Amino acid sequence: EDQVTQSPEALRLQEGESSSLNCSYTVSGLRGLFWYRQDPGKGPEFLFTLYSAGEEKEKERLKATLTKKESFLHITAPKPEDSATYLCAVQERQGAQKLVFGQGTRLTINP
Amino acid sequence: GAVVSQHPSRVICKSGTSVKIECRSLDFQATTMFWYRQFPKQSLMLMATSNEGSKATYEQGVEKDKFLINHASLTLSTLTVTSAHPEDSSFYICSASPWRGGLLNTGELFFGEGSRLTVL
Repeated sequence: EDQVTQSPEALRLQEGESSSLNCSYTVSGLRGLFWYRQDPGKGPEFLFTLYSAGEEKEKERLKATLTKKESFLHITAPKPEDSATYLCAVQERQGAQKLVFGQGTRLTINP
Repeated sequence: GAVVSQHPSRVICKSGTSVKIECRSLDFQATTMFWYRQFPKQSLMLMATSNEGSKATYEQGVEKDKFLINHASLTLSTLTVTSAHPEDSSFYICSASPWRGGLLNTGELFFGEGSRLTVL
């Protein structure tokens, strides 16, 4: 069974303090690994898709990386508006296109 | 980018009534839509996969007769919570994948804004 574990559950940073969020996964053949941002009371907002180990993608202060067992979401010099829950999800290569989500990391950036 | 719209965003109902939630893809066709449920401070749990023109595929443990899903067109899927009870109170979110040129683009899934159901 596919499993996705995110750590830490919650993270508080000062504005400008860079850090990384972790997503460890177990899947029988990875089709893609997805990162989403979710604000309270809203649906998830797509950030990145990573398909193969070694791949990296960047968007503003965020950079996502992928290995065969985990993905990191690096946040550089964060701002208070980066505060949100960040969700990681995996999609199997075979079968249905459903995503299996991790429990998320609640990120708070203090000004 | 692609837009998925859900309606209503919030609904409060009495125990025993039924509630319908709509999910629309506004600027693309979606042969497949997904319905998720999310409890406070927890992640999204897939309830069912909705395929246009055919019966939905439900995840293990999800009652088909309780959560009725209809996907009548390439842009609309509905979730009906029948005979709702307080334990059905949750945040329900749909998602859809763009369909282009006969191939389902699985690179991205776009989510609706979610519908918060409160059953009294």
